Amino acid sequence: DAGITQSPRYKITETGRQVTLMCHQTWSHSYMFWYRQDLGHGLRLIYYSAAADITDKGEVPDGYVVSRSKTENFPLTLESATRSQTSVYFCASSGDRGITGELFFGEGSRLTVL
Amino acid sequence: GEDVEQSLFLSVREGDSSVINCTYTDSSSTYLYWYKQEPGAGLQLLTYIFSNMDMKQDQRLTVLLNKKDKHLSLRIADTQTGDSAIYFCAEKGTGRRALTFGSGTRLQVQP
Repeated sequence: DAGITQSPRYKITETGRQVTLMCHQTWSHSYMFWYRQDLGHGLRLIYYSAAADITDKGEVPDGYVVSRSKTENFPLTLESATRSQTSVYFCASSGDRGITGELFFGEGSRLTVL
Repeated sequence: GEDVEQSLFLSVREGDSSVINCTYTDSSSTYLYWYKQEPGAGLQLLTYIFSNMDMKQDQRLTVLLNKKDKHLSLRIADTQTGDSAIYFCAEKGTGRRALTFGSGTRLQVQP
Protein backbone atom coordinates (compact mmCIF):
# COMPACT_ATOMS: atom_id res chain seq x y z
CA ASP A 1 0.00 0.00 0.00
CA ALA A 2 1.14 3.51 -0.74
CA GLY A 3 1.98 5.70 2.20
CA ILE A 4 4.42 6.15 5.00
CA THR A 5 4.95 3.36 7.50
CA GLN A 6 6.88 3.21 10.74
CA SER A 7 8.15 0.22 12.66
CA PRO A 8 8.03 -0.87 15.33
CA ARG A 9 4.86 0.84 16.54
CA TYR A 10 5.75 0.06 20.16
CA LYS A 11 9.14 -0.60 21.70
CA ILE A 12 10.36 -1.03 25.26
CA THR A 13 14.08 -0.98 25.85
CA GLU A 14 16.61 -0.40 28.59
CA THR A 15 18.96 2.47 29.24
CA GLY A 16 22.16 2.14 27.23
CA ARG A 17 20.78 -0.08 24.48
CA GLN A 18 20.80 0.84 20.83
CA VAL A 19 17.42 1.19 19.17
CA THR A 20 16.55 1.80 15.52
CA LEU A 21 13.19 3.12 14.40
CA MET A 22 12.38 2.50 10.77
CA CYS A 23 10.51 4.72 8.35
CA HIS A 24 9.52 3.82 4.80
CA GLN A 25 7.59 5.87 2.25
CA THR A 26 6.30 4.84 -1.15
CA TRP A 27 5.71 8.27 -2.70
CA SER A 28 9.36 8.91 -3.69
CA HIS A 29 9.21 12.13 -1.69
CA SER A 30 12.54 13.90 -1.50
CA TYR A 31 12.13 15.27 2.00
CA MET A 32 11.84 13.17 5.13
CA PHE A 33 11.70 14.22 8.77
CA TRP A 34 11.83 12.79 12.26
CA TYR A 35 9.91 14.52 15.05
CA ARG A 36 9.39 13.56 18.66
CA GLN A 37 6.19 14.32 20.52
CA ASP A 38 6.26 15.05 24.23
CA LEU A 39 3.58 16.46 26.53
CA GLY A 40 3.87 20.20 26.74
CA HIS A 41 6.40 20.41 23.89
CA GLY A 42 4.33 19.42 20.91
CA LEU A 43 6.41 18.11 18.03
CA ARG A 44 10.11 18.90 17.91
CA LEU A 45 12.28 18.26 14.88
CA ILE A 46 15.14 15.81 15.44
CA TYR A 47 16.62 15.41 11.94
CA TYR A 48 15.56 15.89 8.38
CA SER A 49 16.77 14.86 4.95
CA ALA A 50 16.44 16.66 1.62
CA ALA A 51 17.47 13.65 -0.50
CA ALA A 52 19.42 10.41 -0.34
CA ASP A 53 22.73 10.94 1.46
CA ILE A 54 21.75 14.47 2.57
CA THR A 55 20.75 14.90 6.21
CA ASP A 56 20.72 17.80 8.62
CA LYS A 57 20.10 18.44 12.30
CA GLY A 58 16.89 19.82 13.66
CA GLU A 59 16.08 21.31 17.03
CA VAL A 60 16.89 18.29 19.25
CA PRO A 61 19.45 16.05 17.50
CA ASP A 62 21.64 15.04 20.45
CA GLY A 63 21.70 11.27 21.07
CA TYR A 64 20.27 10.42 17.64
CA VAL A 65 21.79 9.30 14.36
CA VAL A 66 20.10 9.12 10.96
CA SER A 67 21.01 7.80 7.55
CA ARG A 68 19.39 7.92 4.14
CA SER A 69 21.03 5.53 1.72
CA LYS A 70 17.78 5.12 -0.25
CA THR A 71 15.13 7.74 -0.97
CA GLU A 72 12.35 5.65 0.53
CA ASN A 73 13.96 4.85 3.89
CA PHE A 74 14.98 7.12 6.74
CA PRO A 75 15.92 5.15 9.87
CA LEU A 76 16.47 6.87 13.22
CA THR A 77 18.96 5.29 15.64
CA LEU A 78 19.34 5.97 19.33
CA GLU A 79 22.91 4.87 19.90
CA SER A 80 22.65 4.57 23.70
CA ALA A 81 19.06 5.09 24.83
CA THR A 82 18.33 7.29 27.84
CA ARG A 83 15.11 7.71 29.84
CA SER A 84 14.72 11.22 28.45
CA GLN A 85 14.30 9.66 25.00
CA THR A 86 11.05 8.02 26.07
CA SER A 87 8.65 9.61 23.59
CA VAL A 88 6.46 9.09 20.57
CA TYR A 89 8.46 9.42 17.37
CA PHE A 90 6.88 10.49 14.11
CA CYS A 91 8.34 10.20 10.67
CA ALA A 92 7.03 12.48 7.94
CA SER A 93 7.69 13.14 4.27
CA SER A 94 7.14 15.96 1.83
CA GLY A 95 7.31 16.09 -1.95
CA ASP A 96 9.14 18.49 -4.23
CA ARG A 97 6.16 19.44 -6.30
CA GLY A 98 3.72 20.41 -3.57
CA ILE A 99 3.80 24.17 -3.24
CA THR A 100 2.18 24.13 0.17
CA GLY A 101 4.92 22.09 1.81
CA GLU A 102 2.45 19.80 3.54
CA LEU A 103 3.98 17.00 5.58
CA PHE A 104 2.54 13.50 5.51
CA PHE A 105 2.94 11.62 8.78
CA GLY A 106 3.35 8.01 9.76
CA GLU A 107 1.38 6.48 12.62
CA GLY A 108 4.19 6.97 15.13
CA SER A 109 6.51 4.75 17.15
CA ARG A 110 6.02 4.80 20.91
CA LEU A 111 9.35 4.20 22.64
CA THR A 112 9.75 3.54 26.36
CA VAL A 113 13.24 3.53 27.85
CA LEU A 114 13.42 1.88 31.29
CA GLY B 1 14.42 30.38 16.68
CA GLU B 2 10.85 30.18 15.50
CA ASP B 3 8.17 29.60 18.08
CA VAL B 4 4.50 28.60 17.90
CA GLU B 5 2.25 28.85 20.95
CA GLN B 6 -1.17 27.34 21.62
CA SER B 7 -3.39 26.92 24.64
CA LEU B 8 -3.36 23.35 25.88
CA PHE B 9 -7.03 22.53 26.39
CA LEU B 10 -10.49 23.51 25.18
CA SER B 11 -13.81 22.02 26.20
CA VAL B 12 -17.06 22.69 24.31
CA ARG B 13 -20.53 21.23 24.11
CA GLU B 14 -21.68 19.29 21.06
CA GLY B 15 -23.25 21.64 18.53
CA ASP B 16 -21.34 24.70 19.72
CA SER B 17 -18.54 26.37 17.79
CA SER B 18 -14.93 25.76 18.82
CA VAL B 19 -12.19 28.32 18.36
CA ILE B 20 -8.58 27.25 18.73
CA ASN B 21 -5.97 29.98 18.76
CA CYS B 22 -2.30 30.04 17.86
CA THR B 23 0.44 32.66 17.82
CA TYR B 24 3.76 32.43 16.03
CA THR B 25 6.92 34.48 15.85
CA ASP B 26 8.37 33.86 12.38
CA SER B 27 7.88 36.92 10.18
CA SER B 28 8.86 34.92 7.10
CA SER B 29 6.07 32.33 7.47
CA THR B 30 4.71 31.41 4.04
CA TYR B 31 2.14 28.77 4.94
CA LEU B 32 0.33 28.03 8.16
CA TYR B 33 -1.37 24.74 8.89
CA TRP B 34 -3.80 23.02 11.17
CA TYR B 35 -3.24 19.33 11.81
CA LYS B 36 -5.51 16.95 13.72
CA GLN B 37 -4.28 14.03 15.79
CA GLU B 38 -6.71 11.38 16.98
CA PRO B 39 -5.72 9.05 19.84
CA GLY B 40 -2.94 6.65 18.91
CA ALA B 41 -2.64 8.02 15.39
CA GLY B 42 -0.38 10.25 13.37
CA LEU B 43 -1.13 13.81 12.37
CA GLN B 44 -3.43 14.54 9.46
CA LEU B 45 -3.65 17.85 7.67
CA LEU B 46 -6.99 19.57 8.23
CA THR B 47 -6.39 22.76 6.34
CA TYR B 48 -3.77 25.35 5.53
CA ILE B 49 -3.64 29.03 4.63
CA PHE B 50 -1.18 31.00 2.57
CA SER B 51 0.32 33.96 4.37
CA ASN B 52 -1.16 36.55 2.02
CA MET B 53 -4.71 35.43 2.84
CA ASP B 54 -6.86 36.63 5.74
CA MET B 55 -9.42 33.87 5.77
CA LYS B 56 -10.09 30.45 4.38
CA GLN B 57 -13.31 28.49 4.71
CA ASP B 58 -13.65 24.77 4.14
CA GLN B 59 -17.04 23.30 5.08
CA ARG B 60 -17.24 23.51 8.90
CA LEU B 61 -13.71 24.90 9.21
CA THR B 62 -12.80 28.57 9.10
CA VAL B 63 -9.20 29.71 9.37
CA LEU B 64 -8.44 33.33 10.22
CA LEU B 65 -4.99 34.81 9.87
CA ASN B 66 -3.89 38.13 11.32
CA LYS B 67 -0.42 38.49 9.89
CA LYS B 68 0.27 41.77 11.65
CA ASP B 69 -0.31 40.19 15.06
CA LYS B 70 1.00 36.78 13.96
CA HIS B 71 -2.22 35.18 15.13
CA LEU B 72 -3.94 32.18 13.58
CA SER B 73 -7.25 30.68 14.59
CA LEU B 74 -9.30 27.65 13.64
CA ARG B 75 -13.06 27.75 14.06
CA ILE B 76 -15.01 24.50 13.91
CA ALA B 77 -18.73 25.09 13.45
CA ASP B 78 -21.30 22.68 14.89
CA THR B 79 -18.64 20.74 16.80
CA GLN B 80 -19.27 17.01 17.03
CA THR B 81 -17.94 14.35 19.40
CA GLY B 82 -15.86 13.04 16.50
CA ASP B 83 -13.98 16.34 16.52
CA SER B 84 -12.44 15.44 19.90
CA ALA B 85 -8.71 15.29 19.21
CA ILE B 86 -5.49 17.25 19.55
CA TYR B 87 -5.15 20.12 17.09
CA PHE B 88 -1.70 21.36 16.11
CA CYS B 89 -0.88 24.69 14.60
CA ALA B 90 2.26 24.71 12.41
CA GLU B 91 4.11 27.18 10.23
CA LYS B 92 6.63 27.01 7.40
CA GLY B 93 9.13 29.79 6.97
CA THR B 94 10.70 30.99 3.76
CA GLY B 95 13.41 28.62 2.58
CA ARG B 96 12.57 25.96 5.12
CA ARG B 97 10.97 22.59 4.43
CA ALA B 98 10.48 21.48 8.03
CA LEU B 99 7.40 22.77 9.83
CA THR B 100 7.49 24.29 13.31
CA PHE B 101 4.65 22.99 15.46
CA GLY B 102 2.88 24.30 18.50
CA SER B 103 2.33 22.16 21.57
CA GLY B 104 -1.18 21.17 20.47
CA THR B 105 -4.64 21.98 21.84
CA ARG B 106 -6.68 19.12 23.19
CA LEU B 107 -10.33 19.64 22.19
CA GLN B 108 -12.87 17.84 24.32
CA VAL B 109 -16.44 17.79 23.02
CA GLN B 110 -19.07 17.03 25.61
CA PRO B 111 -22.39 15.49 24.51
